[in-house]
Amino acid sequence: GQQVMQIPQYQHVQEGEDFTTYCNSSTTLSNIQWYKQRPGGHPVFLIQLVKSGEVKKQKRLTFQFGEAKKNSSLHITATQTTDVGTYFCAGRTGSARQLTFGSGTQLTVLP
Amino acid sequence: GAGVSQTPSNKVTEKGKYVELRCDPISGHTALYWYRQSLGQGPEFLIYFQGTGAADDSGLPNDRFFAVRPEGSVSTLKIQRTERGDSAVYLCASSLPHSPLHFGNGTRLTVT
Repeated sequence: GQQVMQIPQYQHVQEGEDFTTYCNSSTTLSNIQWYKQRPGGHPVFLIQLVKSGEVKKQKRLTFQFGEAKKNSSLHITATQTTDVGTYFCAGRTGSARQLTFGSGTQLTVLP
Repeated sequence: GAGVSQTPSNKVTEKGKYVELRCDPISGHTALYWYRQSLGQGPEFLIYFQGTGAADDSGLPNDRFFAVRPEGSVSTLKIQRTERGDSAVYLCASSLPHSPLHFGNGTRLTVT
């Protein structure tokens, strides 16, 4: 079945440093979504990417979808303590409605 | 407006018992998903409903797990003969067609 892997599993950064998490799928994706889960909370939707090579920005967050639609990345510029949480990518294949989540990257921002 | 509501928030049960977990989706959302999340892991897909029917139940681990959505709104996840390995947070999410998922706060199930 479809597998979605994320690296790194954990990342500790000093406040103000940049952060990147990478997502790789074993199969070509029709779209990819990113979610953030704060400690003790539930996943909250951040963004969806659909097109090959697509890049979207939300303030300090930049999301990319690979040309082959099998990988994606999330980059945060100048991290803040409010960025703390676990970031998950989640992908769909073809017309499937099932959304497969990666294992997540847990971000800790040290003040 | 109201988000996805899951009850109970916590459930402790003994091995071998039967449990039911309830999900109230956002009004008007036709799609409903159940996921299971273990500590340090991403949400693991269990089942997806479109309306009243289970459109994809390929994630249910075995026949002890069953879910219903009889009127196309509230859904119940049912687990028979619970095992310690069933302990996890069970997340429900709902969405409009081709839209992002809105998750509830989950039910933390502990099987002793």
